Amino acid sequence: EAGVTQFPSHSVIEKGQTVTLRCDPISGHDNLYWYRRVMGKEIKFLLHFVKESKQDESGMPNNRFLAERTGGTYSTLKVQPAELEDSGVYFCASSPQGWDSPLHFGNGTRLTVT
Amino acid sequence: GESVGLHLPTLSVQEGDNSIINCAYSNSASDYFIWYKQESGKGPQFIIDIRSNMDKRQGQRVTVLLNKTVKHLSLQIAATQPGDSAVYFCAEPSYNQGGKLIFGQGTELSVKP
Repeated sequence: EAGVTQFPSHSVIEKGQTVTLRCDPISGHDNLYWYRRVMGKEIKFLLHFVKESKQDESGMPNNRFLAERTGGTYSTLKVQPAELEDSGVYFCASSPQGWDSPLHFGNGTRLTVT
Repeated sequence: GESVGLHLPTLSVQEGDNSIINCAYSNSASDYFIWYKQESGKGPQFIIDIRSNMDKRQGQRVTVLLNKTVKHLSLQIAATQPGDSAVYFCAEPSYNQGGKLIFGQGTELSVKP
């Protein structure tokens, strides 16, 4: 089966610009998560979808971040306008129905805001 | 709330030696833990998990030990190889928050040839 795929793998943008990250989860996985790792620090939770519904968005830093999962398939994470502190690696992960199974992660999008 | 933390940010071992990576957790009710390995340029990859009804679980060259008394778990890698070089994270689900994973800060393992 295909794994979790993320696009782009790298993005370099200037402060104030907009970037949209995309995640395609494993087919059939209801749960989709966004995480972020800032350089040298832990992997921090951003948001959790169950199908197309936002289950938990308590980790979203502020209203410059908008995540969507229309139709319950792929998801996008938009940052608008980007700030320097948004730089980091954004990971997407998916898992089957329920919470009691390991997450499958994509390779991440490395975002650099200059 | 729950938190997990790793004891050392970096660990350097000689190829062929055994590696031990430690992790502490705060919630005594936690009953499921997962170890992930993150190689450069890749996402975290599941290594092994353990439930609280077990003290030890073994995989291929890896063993996870769980000590519920002191709320500590460790990942042991036998005969460490250069391909084991990565950042290792322990994680646990946050049951009261929809099951999202909470990660520790990670230990970067470097294997010297």
